[in-house]
Amino acid sequence: SQTIHQWPATLVQPVGSPLSLECTVEGTSNPNLYWYRQAAGRGLQLLFYSVGIGQISSEVPQNLSASRPQDRQFILSSKKLLLSDSGFYLCAWSRIDRLAGGTQPGYEQFFGPGTRLTVL
Amino acid sequence: AQSVSQHNHHVILSEAASLELGCNYSYGGTVNLFWYVQYPGQHLQLLLKYFSGDPLVKGIKGFEAEFIKSKFSFNLRKPSVQWSDTAEYFCAVNPRRDDKIIFGKGTRLHILP
Repeated sequence: SQTIHQWPATLVQPVGSPLSLECTVEGTSNPNLYWYRQAAGRGLQLLFYSVGIGQISSEVPQNLSASRPQDRQFILSSKKLLLSDSGFYLCAWSRIDRLAGGTQPGYEQFFGPGTRLTVL
Repeated sequence: AQSVSQHNHHVILSEAASLELGCNYSYGGTVNLFWYVQYPGQHLQLLLKYFSGDPLVKGIKGFEAEFIKSKFSFNLRKPSVQWSDTAEYFCAVNPRRDDKIIFGKGTRLHILP
């Protein structure tokens, strides 16, 4: 069966420090991968998604970046954290039919446990 | 730009009451539709999904949702809620042949015992 891991579970960082959050998926290959930020009253904000190694699409311009160095690894980074970067970060994966393109009908996303980031 | 609107931010009901949570989306093409639920302290998980066929779909724990294409809506319903339904509910839309899934802001449901 497939599992998704996020590391670390919680993180407290000072303003201006770098960030690296890791997401890994097991039990599947060629998944679509997603980073979301969840904030109270604002729902899930899609930050980045990736359809393959080295392929990153950015949804929201900000001081965060994402990378996909391996098929089942997705990393969220920042060179200098801002106070506004505090939040709950979720990684998700979904299946994809590369012949048809896009997320196939009925293929839902599977979410990781999340990382609680506090920037002081 | 595509968007998803959930009409209610916070809903409080008594046990056995009926529930309907509204969801509207803005996208002119064919879509896949989802409702996710996040119970306190747990991962987001799928409640139900629609991709084709019968517009009335049934999910886990007695929930159902109806896709009304002309209204761009996908409302979630449950005839009789339980205390254990206390959670946050998210509507999500995936335009076909697009890799993005767009979520609404969520509705916090609180069931009074």
